[in-house]
Amino acid sequence: KQEVTQIPAALSVPEGENLVLNCSFTDSAIYNLQWFRQDPGKGLTSLLLIQSSQREQTSGRLNASLDKSSGRSTLYIAASQPGDSATYLCAVLDSGYALNFGKGTSLLVTP
Amino acid sequence: DTEVTQTPKHLVMGMTNKKSLKCEQHMGHRAMYWYKQKAKKPPELMFVYSYEKLSINESVPSRFSPECPNSSLLNLHLHALQPEDSALYLCASSVGYRNNQPQHFGDGTRLSIL
Repeated sequence: KQEVTQIPAALSVPEGENLVLNCSFTDSAIYNLQWFRQDPGKGLTSLLLIQSSQREQTSGRLNASLDKSSGRSTLYIAASQPGDSATYLCAVLDSGYALNFGKGTSLLVTP
Repeated sequence: DTEVTQTPKHLVMGMTNKKSLKCEQHMGHRAMYWYKQKAKKPPELMFVYSYEKLSINESVPSRFSPECPNSSLLNLHLHALQPEDSALYLCASSVGYRNNQPQHFGDGTRLSIL
């Protein structure tokens, strides 16, 4: 069974810092990997999707990389802002239908 | 604003009540999903519909009954729920089932069972 692990579980940084969130998965036979943001009490907002054949995707201040062979992905956030405070979830699609989620990284960006 | 709309946003019900959750999308997606998320836990898949037919049931208790009346609408009928069923229920959709397109989520319905 696919296991997805996210490190760290929580992170607090001052505004303006660049930061890296880590995601690892145990079975490298994945279709894609998706990074989500979840604000308290809200649903999931899709940030980036990386197909299994891709190495990275970028959107604005966000950059996600994928190393499928080693079972790792990172989400890089440049010049963090207080509005970036949220829980970030990593999810891998390995069976064609079921997203396997990590437990998330809770990010707090302080002014 | 999300492109997947869920109603109601909050629902409080007793264990003997019958209620329904509703999910709508107008993106032309043909796969729709129900997930359950407990506090401080990741979402867990409950059901998958593909082309309005139930494709996956992740061993969900029969007190949860999904329904897909048309390609834009997904319901989750609730009956005789237990307190442990209190959670955030998330609906998602994607272009198709078993492909590489992203899943888009709604804001969820927060359900509390008294």
